[in-house]
Amino acid sequence: GAGVSQSPSNKVTEKGKDVELRCDPISGHTALYWYRQSLGQGLEFLIYFQGNSAPDKSGLPSDRFSAERTGGSVSTLTIQRTQQEDSAVYLCASSPRDRRGEKLFFGSGTQLSVL
Amino acid sequence: KNEVEQSPQNLTAQEGEFITINCSYSVGISALHWLQQHPGGGIVSLFMLSSGKKKHGRLIATINIQEKHSSLHITASHPRDSAVYICAVIRVQGGSEKLVFGKGTKLTVNP
Repeated sequence: GAGVSQSPSNKVTEKGKDVELRCDPISGHTALYWYRQSLGQGLEFLIYFQGNSAPDKSGLPSDRFSAERTGGSVSTLTIQRTQQEDSAVYLCASSPRDRRGEKLFFGSGTQLSVL
Repeated sequence: KNEVEQSPQNLTAQEGEFITINCSYSVGISALHWLQQHPGGGIVSLFMLSSGKKKHGRLIATINIQEKHSSLHITASHPRDSAVYICAVIRVQGGSEKLVFGKGTKLTVNP
């Protein structure tokens, strides 16, 4: 596609349920970032992938959060046993990272509401 | 203390004014991004800097690696420039990268 695509755009779930969020980066982009923005708060970095690997998972808020990326393309962020404090907009960005000076390209996010 | 500090937090200007938003960071970085977030949440990447200065239209971004400081300037500001401007640094650590965000500067440009 032309840009970074995230799905679903909105997700309402009950506390305790698992959710899976998807990010389709721009074709050929090797770097992929997940981050989130809670209501009225700043951006919080979650995890970074270069290709399929994510060397540092320490940005994930708890062990209920996991992320994977297969084939160097699509990434999924999974939240198990959701809690109300997980409610936020979950955002994804990708970048070519094959030469200096490349910008980040952002998806429009998934609004997650945990009731 | 946050690793990335932006100032001011809020800025109100009259159309046509020259705007400066500052970003200071306390960690070693490989690059710095300036982002723009409009009401409604969409984020646009304005610049990625690792040294020097970049210009795009009315926007100018500079970075001083030694002083760990970057500035975003907007010349001849316009109401459509109203947005939150966010500084984000790429911190390289242990073979991985982290994006560390500033809290943003909310700019309002009045006609």
